[in-house]
Amino acid sequence: DIQMTQSPSTLSASVGDRVTITCRATQHLSSWLAWYQQKPGKAPKVLIYKASTLVDGVPSRFSGSESGTEFTLTITSLQPDDFATYYCQQYNSYPMTFGQGTRLEIK
Amino acid sequence: QVSLKESGPVLAKPTETLTLTCDVSGFSLKNDRMGVSWIRQPPGKAPEWLAHIFSNDKKSYNPSLKNRLTISKDTSKSQVVLTMTNMDPLDTATYFCARIREVRWSPMPFDLWGQGTMVSVSS
Repeated sequence: DIQMTQSPSTLSASVGDRVTITCRATQHLSSWLAWYQQKPGKAPKVLIYKASTLVDGVPSRFSGSESGTEFTLTITSLQPDDFATYYCQQYNSYPMTFGQGTRLEIK
Repeated sequence: QVSLKESGPVLAKPTETLTLTCDVSGFSLKNDRMGVSWIRQPPGKAPEWLAHIFSNDKKSYNPSLKNRLTISKDTSKSQVVLTMTNMDPLDTATYFCARIREVRWSPMPFDLWGQGTMVSVSS
């Protein structure tokens, strides 16, 4: 199985800040990585797929990048609606696996 | 409207078999190239992928749970069903179904999720 190690587990930031969340895979993913946002009591919502492709309708302050087996989600100019939990997920191979999550909280 | 909706028991007893149903609306399990997965999420933890059924009826299971899971679909009812045997309190979680569009030569993420159904396992 491909293991996904996500960091940090918690991130405190303020509105307007720029934040970065990192996910490292134990194997090469050929860019088949997605980022999801989840709010309490709701299902995850896909933001980015294929490491850096923004889903239609997702604000451009969200971006994704990759370097080898390390993937990064960046949110510039945090908005109040962005405070949530974020997960990475690899879909390069089965079983598909998720990172442990990053809870983005208001400082 | 395109949607998924999970249903099933709220409470299960240890050793029981759980059956969950995912009702699909707005797309066809028979004619559209869409697959459906079951994913669970224990309270306060990350999601865990359980099983997937492809448009061609091929199935894939998480090896850690494979012996306990069966996924199937009824295209006439637009439903995907998951059964999990020998339930344990550690199986307490919210269970989601989620869709994957099948694009040739291009794996895709989960683009549509149901609202989830919470299942508690306790005697």
